[in-house]
Amino acid sequence: KAGVTQTPRYLIKTRGQQVTLSCSPISGHRSVSWYQQTPGQGLQFLFEYFSETQRNKGNFPGRFSGRQFSNSRSEMNVSTLELGDSALYLCASSLALTGEQYFGPGTRLTVT
Amino acid sequence: AQRVTQPEKLLSVFKGAPVELKCNYSYSGSPELFWYVQYSRQRLQLLLRHISRESIKGFTADLNKGETSFHLKKPFAQEEDSAMYYCALTSTGSNYKLTFGKGTLLTVNP
Repeated sequence: KAGVTQTPRYLIKTRGQQVTLSCSPISGHRSVSWYQQTPGQGLQFLFEYFSETQRNKGNFPGRFSGRQFSNSRSEMNVSTLELGDSALYLCASSLALTGEQYFGPGTRLTVT
Repeated sequence: AQRVTQPEKLLSVFKGAPVELKCNYSYSGSPELFWYVQYSRQRLQLLLRHISRESIKGFTADLNKGETSFHLKKPFAQEEDSAMYYCALTSTGSNYKLTFGKGTLLTVNP
């Protein structure tokens, strides 16, 4: 089975712009979670989608949003980018209600 | 609220020495605990979970509910064990949201 894929792998944006990141889960996986990884804060949970519904949400401002499509692919959007949004954004998929998640390689976002 | 603490940011041992990576958690219900590992230039991957009680790559971890700990142990460290290790917790009460600790960077020296 193909693993979790994320596009793009690298992205450079300027403050104030918006960005959309994409995640394709493992075939058959219906849950997709997003995390922000930074050296200072480690892995922070953003949100999780299951069957196109947001099931969990972390403590991030409303500028961070996401959605899931009927084929389980997911996108996350960050509007009005700030320098502090520079991070590695990880997507993970799982079969159902479980903490056993499979991670993608991440998208490295740099905001200048 | 659920919380995971890994008190050591860095841990350095010599090859063949025992290694223990500490993990403490805070959660009042029945948690599920996991260890994830990230080797250099590889993606984050599941190492083991407490409910399976298995040994993976020589690593074991026992859930101690009294001490609210889930320490990862290996009797003889190998150089290829050098990686970033994350302890994580989920539960039915949190709707299976996965909470990670900040990680411990393990370096095994030759």
